[in-house]
Amino acid sequence: GAGVSQSPSNKVTEKGKDVELRCDPISGHTALYWYRQSLGQGLEFLIYFQGNSAPDKSGLPSDRFSAERTGGSVSTLTIQRTQQEDSAVYLCASIFIAGAYNEQFFGPGTRLTVL
Amino acid sequence: GENVEQHPSTLSVQEGDSAVIKCTYSDSASNYFPWYKQELGKRPQLIIDIRSNVGEKKDQRIAVTLNKTAKHFSLHITETQPEDSAVYFCAASGDYGQNFVFGPGTRLSVLP
Repeated sequence: GAGVSQSPSNKVTEKGKDVELRCDPISGHTALYWYRQSLGQGLEFLIYFQGNSAPDKSGLPSDRFSAERTGGSVSTLTIQRTQQEDSAVYLCASIFIAGAYNEQFFGPGTRLTVL
Repeated sequence: GENVEQHPSTLSVQEGDSAVIKCTYSDSASNYFPWYKQELGKRPQLIIDIRSNVGEKKDQRIAVTLNKTAKHFSLHITETQPEDSAVYFCAASGDYGQNFVFGPGTRLSVLP
């Protein structure tokens, strides 16, 4: 079946512009994470959605970052007034919560470059 | 909240030797411990995972051990091959995918 998809795969924008990144999780997966990965670095947690619960936004680096998950499926990560330090690969991952082994399935990522 | 530490940050081994990567976690409520492999330019992919009621799990050349009392777990790769070269991330999470925290990663290089 289809895996996690993300769009766009690459995004180049000018400093100060807003960008929207999209994540389509695997159908039926109730949990979704967004991460940021700078070149050669680890996975920086941004936000977590689980079912109808309030999202865990504790990882968002500033109020320029926000995310939504509509209908418990597609998620969009919005970065307003982008800065050069926002340049990174943004990964989303979805989980089918089974209460036992909760594997995260990652999307291919969106590479964001802020000029 | 959960904190996951991982060592070493880089590891070089000769082809055919074994590699061991160690992680520690802080939250005793964590029950699920996966390991992900990320090849250059690709997404992380699960290679093996373990739950807290199991002490060891093996899948061909890779194995994971867990010491819940000491809050540490390790990845063991035997008979390493060049295609094992990648960044490896450990992680810990609760029962329902919450508090999913990754370690900082280990860059493994297998030298031919």
